[in-house]
Amino acid sequence: AQKVTQAQTEISVVEKEDVTLDCVYETRDTTYYLFWYKQPPSGELVFLIRRNSFDEQNEISGRYSWNFQKSTSSFNFTITASQVVDSAVYFCALRGGSARQLTFGSGTQLTVLP
Amino acid sequence: DAMVIQNPRYQVTQFGKPVTLSCSQTLNHNVMYWYQQKSSQAPKLLFHYYDKDFNNEADTPDNFQSRRPNTSFCFLDIRSPGLGDAAMYLCATSRDQGSYQETQYFGPGTRLLVL
Repeated sequence: AQKVTQAQTEISVVEKEDVTLDCVYETRDTTYYLFWYKQPPSGELVFLIRRNSFDEQNEISGRYSWNFQKSTSSFNFTITASQVVDSAVYFCALRGGSARQLTFGSGTQLTVLP
Repeated sequence: DAMVIQNPRYQVTQFGKPVTLSCSQTLNHNVMYWYQQKSSQAPKLLFHYYDKDFNNEADTPDNFQSRRPNTSFCFLDIRSPGLGDAAMYLCATSRDQGSYQETQYFGPGTRLLVL
């Protein structure tokens, strides 16, 4: 069975603060894929990043960075210098082995206040 | 730009009146998915098509059906909508080749309201 846990239901920060969204996963598959999606109020799920289980290299894209640690089964997402436009629900998701189904976490509602 | 398109963006139907939601894609992806997302919940997979092969999730109610007439289009039919079917319906696509699976890209969703 696969499971994704996003323990933070809601986070509120003031603009320009850094914020980290936590994601912990469980899987028995040796090959798996991890994703982060952003869902703004409009409802569309916007793909942010994909990480393969065999690639533990961390990644930075502008103000976004991701820390993947297999030893702790975590794939955390940090937004540096947050902006109001970052306000959204963020979902961490897992896809294991040959399965096509994405297992989503429950999501973290991020609110960035001006 | 290549994309996943869903129509309509908002759909209002009456209790028990059949409704069809549509999804089209210009990505030429071979896999298409339908997810249901209720308020403040994560998306839940209803079913997917791998090429022409239909794959239903075990807990998807019989009230939900799908059609994929060609690579580009996929439809979600709700035969007799109930109040509990009010939700956002998300279509997604991916290109899967053997054991290698690519990212799922989502459309903007259709919000369904059942009166």
